[in-house]
Amino acid sequence: GQSLEQPSEVTAVEGAIVQINCTYQTSGFYGLSWYQQHDGGAPTFLSYNGLDGLEETGRFSSFLSRSDSYGYLLLQELQMKDSASYFCAEKDSSYKLIFGSGTRLLVRP
Amino acid sequence: DTAVSQTPKYLVTQMGNDKSIKCEQNLGHDTMYWYKQDSKKFLKIMFSYNNKELIINETVPNRFSPKSPDKAHLNLHINSLELGDSAVYFCASSLSTSSLSYYEQYFGPGTRLTVT
Repeated sequence: GQSLEQPSEVTAVEGAIVQINCTYQTSGFYGLSWYQQHDGGAPTFLSYNGLDGLEETGRFSSFLSRSDSYGYLLLQELQMKDSASYFCAEKDSSYKLIFGSGTRLLVRP
Repeated sequence: DTAVSQTPKYLVTQMGNDKSIKCEQNLGHDTMYWYKQDSKKFLKIMFSYNNKELIINETVPNRFSPKSPDKAHLNLHINSLELGDSAVYFCASSLSTSSLSYYEQYFGPGTRLTVT
C-alpha cells in the first residue's frame, strides 16, 4: 500500500527559504506531485517529479530521490501569501492519487 | 472562465435528508473525481470517472452515488445524510488516465457540507 509522511506544521519568516519534506512507502512508485491549498480554498497543482532531481518553477522547486523514497518542496523568497497547506501526492498502481496529510506553512513578517 | 465549478458552495441540512452536489468542468478533460476532505484536512478520493465510466469506487457507503451524464459533468448524490458526512467535498478533473495526467488535477472550489 501507499503512505506519505509530512511534517504537520512549519513556520518561517518572510523572505526566507523553507523546505517541506515528504517521505513515502509504497509498493509501486510512479512519481510525486505537490499541491498548495489556502484556507477555505481548493488544492492547486504546483509541481510533479517523475524522475530523480530538481524541478524548478519560479520561487518553488521540488526534488525527488527514489533511492531514498523522499522528496521535498522548496519555497524561496517567502511571501505572506505562501501561508497555506502543502500536500505531496503519489499515484498508486490503479487510478488513484494518494495525498499526504499536509504541512501547514505559516509565514511570519 | 471557471475551469471546474461546483454547486452549491455551502450546504447545510439535517440528518436523514438527501442532497446532491453538481460539478462541471470546461477544460475538455476526460477524467473527473470526487474527493472528501475532513476537518483535519485529510484529502481522500471517493470516485473517479473516465469518459462517463466509473473507474474508481473507493470504500464509501452506498448512500453515496455518483453520476456522470457526460464527460464534462460529475454529480454526487447522498442519501440519508449522517453527521459524519460533514466535510468539504471537492470535484476535480485531469486530462486523461495517462500516468502523467493523474498527477496534475484541477480542483473545483469545494462544497462545504454540514449535517446537523
